[in-house]
Amino acid sequence: GQSLEQPSEVTAVEGAIVQINCTYQTSGFYGLSWYQQHDGGAPTFLSYNALDGLEETGRFSSFLSRSDSYGYLLLQELQMKDSASYFCAVGSTDKLIFGTGTRLQVFP
Amino acid sequence: GAGVSQSPRYKVTKRGQDVTLRCDPISSHATLYWYQQALGQGPEFLTYFNYEAQPDKSGLPSDRFSAERPEGSISTLTIQRTEQRDSAMYRCASTQLTANTEAFFGQGTRLTVV
Repeated sequence: GQSLEQPSEVTAVEGAIVQINCTYQTSGFYGLSWYQQHDGGAPTFLSYNALDGLEETGRFSSFLSRSDSYGYLLLQELQMKDSASYFCAVGSTDKLIFGTGTRLQVFP
Repeated sequence: GAGVSQSPRYKVTKRGQDVTLRCDPISSHATLYWYQQALGQGPEFLTYFNYEAQPDKSGLPSDRFSAERPEGSISTLTIQRTEQRDSAMYRCASTQLTANTEAFFGQGTRLTVV
């Protein structure tokens, strides 16, 4: 089957850096993606990794190690508006599966 | 359309009634997913379509749940004989291709069974 694991909650202060890890098990792996969801909103796409290494998009970066079935999302220069839930998702040959989410709380 | 549209946004129904939820994906997108999302949880896979084909419906909780996408565009999710445990947010997402890089989500339908 397919499964993803990520921490349930992370807290940090404004301006800090936080890393949210994700480990996965799947067959027919295509890539690992990350989504942000604010309370009451829909998940929105942040980043995608198909190959090993780091992808950078502004303050957010995402990393993938296919051999370790592991990835992380790195958020830099945290802002209050970054308080949200973050989901890793695995794309495989037959479906797109989401993790249970990490709730990030940013404090002033 | 410009984005993924779901209707209704909210649905309250009595236990035992049938409900049908609708999803209108981005027009160029081949793949459409249905998810169920409980409060504080991640989207849980229900089923997906590639155009009108439904390769995987393994996530549907019971045979009371069914989905279709007859012309490869708009999709409906039907829940028959609703039960209170069916109360949840139902989300639809579309991608250009299966397991593609970016899924676009609709605003969801909040279903409450009373």
